[in-house]
Amino acid sequence: ETGVTQTPRHLVMGMTNKKSLKCEQHLGHNAMYWYKQSAKKPLELMFVYNFKEQTENNSVPSRFSPECPNSSHLFLHLHTLQPEDSALYLCASSQVTSRPTDTQYFGPGTRLTVL
Amino acid sequence: TQLLEQSPQFLSIQEGENLTVYCNSSSVFSSLQWYRQEPGEGPVLLVTVVTGGEVKKLKRLTFQFGDARKDSSLHITAAQPGDTGLYLCAAQRGYGGSQGNLIFGKGTKLSVKP
Repeated sequence: ETGVTQTPRHLVMGMTNKKSLKCEQHLGHNAMYWYKQSAKKPLELMFVYNFKEQTENNSVPSRFSPECPNSSHLFLHLHTLQPEDSALYLCASSQVTSRPTDTQYFGPGTRLTVL
Repeated sequence: TQLLEQSPQFLSIQEGENLTVYCNSSSVFSSLQWYRQEPGEGPVLLVTVVTGGEVKKLKRLTFQFGDARKDSSLHITAAQPGDTGLYLCAAQRGYGGSQGNLIFGKGTKLSVKP
C-alpha cells in the first residue's frame, strides 16, 4: 500500500464509450501524474499537475482529458479511444514537481482494454 | 528515440545466483532512479543516485552511477524469489529538470526460481 489508490483496477470499454479513471493520494502531496505503460514501450509520462495546475502535457491526444479538482484527486476522462490505447494507466504523486530527487509514489494502475 | 536502454530485457536465474542489469544512455543526467514493479502493482522506488561514480547499497542490492552520469548498474547478490519483478531505471530528461521531465527505460524482467 503506497498511499495512492486507483479505481477501477480493470476497465473494458468500446471505442464509442466515455469513461473516467480516478486516482486519490493520501500522502499530503501537491504534485500528481498520469503515466501510460504499454507492453512494448517504456513508461510514458502523460500529464503533470502541481498544486492543481497542469504543468505538463506530453502531446497526449485530446481523447484523454485530465482533471485535478484538488491536490488529492486526479481524474483521466476517456472518450472515443482506439484499441492501441489499451494499456496500464498509472497515477503517481510526489511532494512537489520542482525537486528531481523527490520520491514519486505510484498507484497500482488501471488495466484498460479498448475493444 | 529510446533515451534509456536497459539490458538484458529478460533474465531468468536460480535462487542464490548473482546478477547485474544495466541502464545506458548517450545523454547526461542530473540524477537516476531505479524502481521495481511487481505484477499488478505500480513501480516502487528503490534508490536515487545523483553523483557521478556514486555507489549505494540496499541490503543485497548495489547501485552504481557512472562517472559521466550517462549510465547505471544494479547488482543483486544471492538473488531470492522475492526479487522477481520488473526493474526500471528512470532519469531526468534535462539537467536540473523537474519531476515532469522523468523518462523511463523499458525495464528488465527478472525471474528468480526457487
